[in-house]
Amino acid sequence: EAGVTQFPSHSVIEKGQTVTLRCDPISGHDNLYWYRRVMGKEIKFLLHFVKESKQDESGMPNNRFLAERTGGTYSTLKVQPAELEDSGVYFCASSQGVSEAFFGQGTRLTVV
Amino acid sequence: AQSVAQPEDQVNVAEGNPLTVKCTYSVSGNPYLFWYVQYPNRGLQFLLKYITGDNLVKGSYGFEAEFNKSQTSFHLKKPSALVSDSALYFCAVRGNNAGNNRKLIWGLGTSLAVNP
Repeated sequence: EAGVTQFPSHSVIEKGQTVTLRCDPISGHDNLYWYRRVMGKEIKFLLHFVKESKQDESGMPNNRFLAERTGGTYSTLKVQPAELEDSGVYFCASSQGVSEAFFGQGTRLTVV
Repeated sequence: AQSVAQPEDQVNVAEGNPLTVKCTYSVSGNPYLFWYVQYPNRGLQFLLKYITGDNLVKGSYGFEAEFNKSQTSFHLKKPSALVSDSALYFCAVRGNNAGNNRKLIWGLGTSLAVNP
């Protein structure tokens, strides 16, 4: 069974540019989560999808971040325009029901 | 507010010795508690969880954790450390309050170094 897949693994962009991160959850998992870890700080929750609906987006930093989950399958997280403080590792995870979440390898985003 | 504390940034142990990685939490109600591990250049891997039942939980790779409600702790342990256990360990908590709130609150992580 394929795990959670994230693309790209690394991205380096200039301040002001746009970046789109993609997450493919484990097939059949209704719950999809985005988290972010900024260097030296704790992993922080960004948002939670249940199928295609946003269940909780309380962790989204600001309106430069837009997450979508078309058709309840894969999800994208777009940052537009990117700022220096957006640098970090973005993790995606999925789960079924109340079971534990399984994480992807993360996307390391560097904004220069 | 919910929070997780991992008081040690780094833990060093000799191979073959027992290891403990500490975690304390603050959450309203009964918590769901998790340990994840991140090996170098890898994603977060689930190790074990406590939901209810026996306070001693066994997980992957020989790890176990003990839930202590009175001390609000969930320390990760292994009787005999391996060099390959060297990694970054994260403790996380999720409240089991009503609704569909499944977000995890994380500790800062503890870097475990097992020396040969």
